[in-house]
Amino acid sequence: GAVVSQHPSRVICKSGTSVKIECRSLDFQATTMFWYRQFPKQSLMLMATSNEGSKATYEQGVEKDKFLINHASLTLSTLTVTSAHPEDSSFYICSALPMRVTEVNEKLFFGSGTQLSVL
Amino acid sequence: GQQLNQSPQSMFIQEGEDVSMNCTSSSIFNTWLWYKQDPGEGPVLLIALYKAGELTSNGRLTAQFGITRKDSFLNISASIPSDVGIYFCAGLSGRGKSTFGDGTTLTVKP
Repeated sequence: GAVVSQHPSRVICKSGTSVKIECRSLDFQATTMFWYRQFPKQSLMLMATSNEGSKATYEQGVEKDKFLINHASLTLSTLTVTSAHPEDSSFYICSALPMRVTEVNEKLFFGSGTQLSVL
Repeated sequence: GQQLNQSPQSMFIQEGEDVSMNCTSSSIFNTWLWYKQDPGEGPVLLIALYKAGELTSNGRLTAQFGITRKDSFLNISASIPSDVGIYFCAGLSGRGKSTFGDGTTLTVKP
C-alpha cells in the first residue's frame, strides 16, 4: 500500500524557535499534499494545500507567514512553524494525493502525525 | 464551507456486537473515505467509495456511498477489542480537497 512518512513524530521546542516537519511519500509521487492540525478529541482541520513547484494554498484564518510550506519535489513537502508559541502546540498531520488519480480512484494517504509542544 | 455531520459521537459496545455509524452532508461529494485513527497516530484508510450506491466490504467492515452522494455509512460486524479507536468519514470534492466528520469514538468491552 501507499506509505507516507512524517518526521519527526514528536518535537518539544522553546517559544520563539522554528520547527520543521517533513512529509514524504515513499512509494508514490504526489503533486499535491495537505497539512492538517488536530486538537485532542477533535477532527482534522485542513490548514493548507501544498502544490509541487508552486505556492501553497492556505485555508481561511491560517497565517501563511506563520506556517511556511515548501513542496520542492514530487515526494516531499515541509511545514515550518515559525516563531512558535505555546498556542501552536498541536498534532500536525500531512496527507498525500497520488499523482495518477482520477475521480474514480482518488485516495488520501496520511502520515503518522507530529505532536508539537511549545514551552 | 462544506460540513459533515458524523454520528454517533461515541459508542460503547460489547465485544461481538455490530456497529454502525454514518455521515451526512448538505453537499455532494465525489468520493467518500472512511478512516480509523489510533491515539497519537495518523488516520489509516479503511474503505474508499467512488460511486453513488456503491457498497464495499473490507473484512468485517462494510461501507456504502449514499445514492444522493450526500451521505455514507460504515458498519463493523462482530466487533473485537482492537476495533477501539476513532473513526472518521471524509468527503472529497476533487483533487483531494477533503472535509472530515467529527469522528466516532468506539469503545469495545471484552
